[in-house]
Amino acid sequence: DAKTTQPTSMDCAEGRAANLPCNHSTISGNEYVYWYRQIHSQGPQYIIHGLKNNETNEMASLIITEDRKSSTLILPHATLRDTAVYYCIVRDYNYGQNFVFGPGTRLSVLP
Amino acid sequence: DVKVTQSSRYLVKRTGEKVFLECVQDMDHENMFWYRQDPGLGLRLIYFSYDVKMKEKGDIPEGYSVSREKKERFSLILESASTNQTSMYLCASTLGSYGYTFGSGTRLTVV
Repeated sequence: DAKTTQPTSMDCAEGRAANLPCNHSTISGNEYVYWYRQIHSQGPQYIIHGLKNNETNEMASLIITEDRKSSTLILPHATLRDTAVYYCIVRDYNYGQNFVFGPGTRLSVLP
Repeated sequence: DVKVTQSSRYLVKRTGEKVFLECVQDMDHENMFWYRQDPGLGLRLIYFSYDVKMKEKGDIPEGYSVSREKKERFSLILESASTNQTSMYLCASTLGSYGYTFGSGTRLTVV
């Protein structure tokens, strides 16, 4: 079973920041938080991951709370092409644990 | 960038046929995975492999087998296709504990 909970859907206006929350209250010390997204009819695409520090790359920022029980993915200036299902996954860093995808959040970016 | 290539984007096969879905990655990744994705059920792991000639069952291996004769290639085999195997099939690869890179998917229809 997925170890995360996310809202089923969210809307965001084009050009505004999209903030996607994820709860992972049972996360353990070895587990990283990963974010993927899936645009319709394509394979999931890696976005970002982190352990406890906030992370930023060219696609997004990841904010992890100090207790690590929740995180937020931030798309700073959402575009129509960011409309997708976003998956938050926690995964042990150790070799051998697979990713478990939950239902994710369907983000709709509106013009 | 790592590329994961699935040989077919769309396939239509008849019930009882033996079906091969091919996946090739070009970055010397150790780990390769096959998922299927169905509406309302999300991504479910069928089989995975951590090395050449190694395979492990995922959550739903029944009706499927796999082959990994070379590091870069991971094949999913439907021994006798059935209509309930109509689905989107996704291949992924990863190096160690890093994130997955997915292929674009193969949409298989069994008639």
